[in-house]
Amino acid sequence: NAGVTQTPKFQVLKTGQSMTLQCAQDMNHEYMSWYRQDPGMGLRLIHYSVGAGITDQGEVPNGYNVSRSTTEDFPLRLLSAAPSQTSVYFCASSYPTGVAGGHNEQFFGPGTRLTVL
Amino acid sequence: DAKTTQPPSMDCAEGRAANLPCNHSTISGNEYVYWYRQIHSQGPQYIIHGLKNNETNEMASLIITEDRKSSTLILPHATLRDTAVYYCIVRTRNTGGFKTIFGAGTRLFVKA
Repeated sequence: NAGVTQTPKFQVLKTGQSMTLQCAQDMNHEYMSWYRQDPGMGLRLIHYSVGAGITDQGEVPNGYNVSRSTTEDFPLRLLSAAPSQTSVYFCASSYPTGVAGGHNEQFFGPGTRLTVL
Repeated sequence: DAKTTQPPSMDCAEGRAANLPCNHSTISGNEYVYWYRQIHSQGPQYIIHGLKNNETNEMASLIITEDRKSSTLILPHATLRDTAVYYCIVRTRNTGGFKTIFGAGTRLFVKA
């Protein structure tokens, strides 16, 4: 299994540009999430999904869109990039509560380092 | 969601036990305590979780107080590779979904 994969690893954007960060998992996990981590800070939840076709907002959803058309993929779209969105973005996945032994350990991808100029 | 409080940083000598505290005084009865760590800006890694009882696995032990208002993660023989940020998380379980809130964590420095 490849686990959770994220592309690209690095990205530089200009203010106002849009782009999509890709996230995929091959573990058949129903739950997937996107986090951002600013320098020296903890992770903040952007959006999450509990299954294909279902998404919801986290702590800091403004400026980001998500969709979940398949179990495997959970792309994150930046609509109009701003310097405040410079961050490291992590995608995570897990089973729902009660499945696969009763706990829902999250598996994280390696991250995408985004700089907005 | 229950909030957690952790010290910002701690030091530990290599080979000694590292004891990382976490306060979660507003935890509710059906919430679990999870610990993750993040090594050098990699993606966080799951360590251990528990509800009421103390738990142990190959990585660490988790001690939860009887009132469940605090817990301690124990790395029994810390190595230099255990230098990382350790996150204590209380997970909310909502019908049909969940939210995981990470705080700032504790930065553990293991010194030779």
